[in-house]
Amino acid sequence: AQTVTQSQPEMSVQEAETVTLSCTYDTSESDYYLFWYKQPPSRQMILVIRQEAYKQQNATENRFSVNFQKAAKSFSLKISDSQLGDAAMYFCAYRSAGLANAGGTSYGKLTFGQGTILTVHP
Amino acid sequence: GAGVSQSPSNKVTEKGKDVELRCDPISGHTALYWYRQRLGQGLEFLIYFQGNSAPDKSGLPSDRFSAERTGESVSTLTIQRTQQEDSAVYLCASSLAHGVGQPQHFGDGTRLSIL
Repeated sequence: AQTVTQSQPEMSVQEAETVTLSCTYDTSESDYYLFWYKQPPSRQMILVIRQEAYKQQNATENRFSVNFQKAAKSFSLKISDSQLGDAAMYFCAYRSAGLANAGGTSYGKLTFGQGTILTVHP
Repeated sequence: GAGVSQSPSNKVTEKGKDVELRCDPISGHTALYWYRQRLGQGLEFLIYFQGNSAPDKSGLPSDRFSAERTGESVSTLTIQRTQQEDSAVYLCASSLAHGVGQPQHFGDGTRLSIL
């Protein structure tokens, strides 16, 4: 079974500065997807960025970028030019790329980390 | 609607009562997922539907939990004889298919509180 670990329960950043959120995962699979989701107090899960494991190039979405280190099983999120609206809980998530794996059938379910609360100071 | 809709938004009930949570997926989305989020924690997978069949129920924590889906539309998650440990936010997500290229769109969840 896959596990996802976020070792930073809380992080803070000054507005306009850069912050990096850490995520590590454990899997025996070679093909998979990794995601960062943002959850504001409204509870809705918002997809921030996605990375395919077979792509070496790190994904980027505007101010959000990832540092994907497949061998180290690390997937950190960098937020540049932080804004007050970035304040939220951030979750790292794993998704198998295969319809079946050693443990059974994944059907695309997401495995989440415990989350990191990000505070942005004005 | 434009997004995944869940109802009720909040539910408070007494221990031992049954509760039913509803999810309306995005129209045309064949895949539907239920997750549970305990306070301050990440989401735990409960069950997956493809159409009205549930090929993966591996996350349901006990036989008090069940779910059904009508065709490719509404799904209900039922918790019988609720316990205090069932208190959590229950989130529903849908996608066009279970293919991994398809993103999951989440609803706002139902916050369930068991007294």
